[in-house]
Amino acid sequence: NAGVMQNPRHLVRRRGQEARLRCSPMKGHSHVYWYRQLPEEGLKFMVYLQKENIIDESGMPKERFSAEFPKEGPSILRIQQVVRGDSAAYFCASSPPRGQGANNSPLHFGNGTRLTVT
Amino acid sequence: DAKTTQPPSMDCAEGRAANLPCNHSTISGNEYVYWYRQIHSQGPQYIIHGLKNNETNEMASLIITEDRKSSTLILPHATLRDTAVYYCIVRPTQGGSEKLVFGKGTKLTVNP
Repeated sequence: NAGVMQNPRHLVRRRGQEARLRCSPMKGHSHVYWYRQLPEEGLKFMVYLQKENIIDESGMPKERFSAEFPKEGPSILRIQQVVRGDSAAYFCASSPPRGQGANNSPLHFGNGTRLTVT
Repeated sequence: DAKTTQPPSMDCAEGRAANLPCNHSTISGNEYVYWYRQIHSQGPQYIIHGLKNNETNEMASLIITEDRKSSTLILPHATLRDTAVYYCIVRPTQGGSEKLVFGKGTKLTVNP
């Protein structure tokens, strides 16, 4: 049973370019969460999505960032016009729907995409 | 969501038990206690979670006090590979946000 798959593992972009980060959840999981970790800092929640719906985007920057989780295919975190401050590790996690897993199912994380903006 | 308090760092000798404390004095009756760890540059790894009763799995044991205001994660025989940042998080069982809110955690260093 494959875990949460994120790609690419490393991504380098010049200032002003777009970055697209992909996340394939675990099989049977329909909930996806994105987190950002700046160098030497903690994990910060960005957005929580279910298939075709954004449930909680309270941690998303107001501009340049967007996320989607289409009916088919992986979840995408998109960063437009990247700046150096966007350099960070971006982690995706997935979980089954509440009520379908026993005892409050945990989130399972991928190994992240490390974005470097030059 | 209830907040948690953990010591910023701890040391443990290889082969000994590592006991990581967590205070969550404002926890609500419908909130679980979760433990994750993050080994350098990797994604957070789920360890264990519990509501009221003590829990044990192949990785660790979780001891929750009767009043649920604190808990302890126990790694029974720590190895060098257990060196990581350990996060204690509370999460509602239903309703509210389903996300996990990470604090600063405890940096555990296992020494040879």
